[in-house]
Amino acid sequence: AQKVTQAQTEISVVEKEDVTLDCVYETRDTTYYLFWYKQPPSGELVFLIRRNSFDEQNEISGRYSWNFQKSTSSFNFTITASQVVDSAVYFCALSEYTNAGKSTFGDGTTLTVKP
Amino acid sequence: DTGVSQNPRHKITKRGQNVTFRCDPISEHNRLYWYRQTLGQGPEFLTYFQNEAQLEKSRLLSDRFSAERPKGSFSTLEIQRTEQGDSAMYLCASSLPGQDNPPLHFGNGTRLTVT
Repeated sequence: AQKVTQAQTEISVVEKEDVTLDCVYETRDTTYYLFWYKQPPSGELVFLIRRNSFDEQNEISGRYSWNFQKSTSSFNFTITASQVVDSAVYFCALSEYTNAGKSTFGDGTTLTVKP
Repeated sequence: DTGVSQNPRHKITKRGQNVTFRCDPISEHNRLYWYRQTLGQGPEFLTYFQNEAQLEKSRLLSDRFSAERPKGSFSTLEIQRTEQGDSAMYLCASSLPGQDNPPLHFGNGTRLTVT
């Protein structure tokens, strides 16, 4: 069975601070996908990044960066110089390699960025 | 790309009534997924379609739940004899086919309240 744990339920930071959201996963599969989604107050889940289990390269996209470490089964997400618009619930998800749409989600981390 | 559309946005019903939700995926997306999200938790996979074929159903999907996708376009999710425990946000998502398993595009969801 697959499991995703996001130990941080809520995080509150002041604008321009850096913040890291933790994600730890469990799977018996040797190949899989990992994702991060953002759910703003409007409710629609927005895809941020996908990483397959073969690719442990870290990635940076603007103010966002991701650190994938297979050895510790972690896929952490860092927002640099946070902004109020970053306030949302962030979900980490794990999926089968053959069907990325069938995902197991963590319970999310609610990020509040205060001005 | 008009996005994934779900109707209605909100539904309030009395226990024991039947309800039906509709999802219109992004055109040309042949995969369609239903997820359920309760307050404070991540989405949970319910079922998915590839074109008109329902390929997998979660154990969460009791006999009171049925989903269809006639002609491989829009999909409906029906809940019969609703119970208070069915209160949740029902999310629909779609994706393109492909060996690289493209990510999901989610709709805004239908929030069901069973009184």
